[in-house]
Amino acid sequence: DAKTTQPNSMESNEEEPVHLPCNHSTISGTDYIHWYRQLPSQGPEYVIHGLTSNVNNRMASLAIAEDRKSSTLILHRATLRDAAVYYCILRDLKGNQGGKLIFGQGTELSVKP
Amino acid sequence: EAGVAQSPRYKIIEKRQSVAFWCNPISGHATLYWYQQILGQGPKLLIQFQNNGVVDDSQLPKDRFSAERLKGVDSTLKIQPAKLEDSAVYLCASSFTDTNTGELFFGEGSRLTVL
Repeated sequence: DAKTTQPNSMESNEEEPVHLPCNHSTISGTDYIHWYRQLPSQGPEYVIHGLTSNVNNRMASLAIAEDRKSSTLILHRATLRDAAVYYCILRDLKGNQGGKLIFGQGTELSVKP
Repeated sequence: EAGVAQSPRYKIIEKRQSVAFWCNPISGHATLYWYQQILGQGPKLLIQFQNNGVVDDSQLPKDRFSAERLKGVDSTLKIQPAKLEDSAVYLCASSFTDTNTGELFFGEGSRLTVL
């Protein structure tokens, strides 16, 4: 499985934008880039995913580098509720039953009031 | 819409005892996953079901762990006998489809402590 590299932790101030980086230099052409987050004492929840183009949804934006070797999850205005561990995951099409979701260590985001 | 239900939320047992966790996925979701999350680590996939068939169980320690999804709906994960290193949160997730874009929905997990 292709691997991702994320910083162990990041800090942000409330109501400021947050850019969470992810490196995936060995990404293949069939890998989708997924982001999940895990709030304290909860299961992970889906945030966003993309393949080549930048993506926006109500939770966040995903900016994907042109060579697809890195991506950035953007939270436009961090709130205290956004404090969580954020996982960047590559999920591939290979195999007859779709791709597995393999979690790494993630980035622990703390948000200061 | 009801989410993924798991029980029990907490369980404390002694080593060498057995334990079972239950998961009821979101209605209509064909794919079901069990993950193990040790404190401070990301979740690790143990087993993936598509309906009542096993898709991937390569990371399941089959000498002590077993899982079944007999009717293609709810699932049970069993550990027998438990070891100290099995202390973890066991997460169940489901998805409507098994494609690589299908969003996984996770339950709140079952926290196991082995003494």
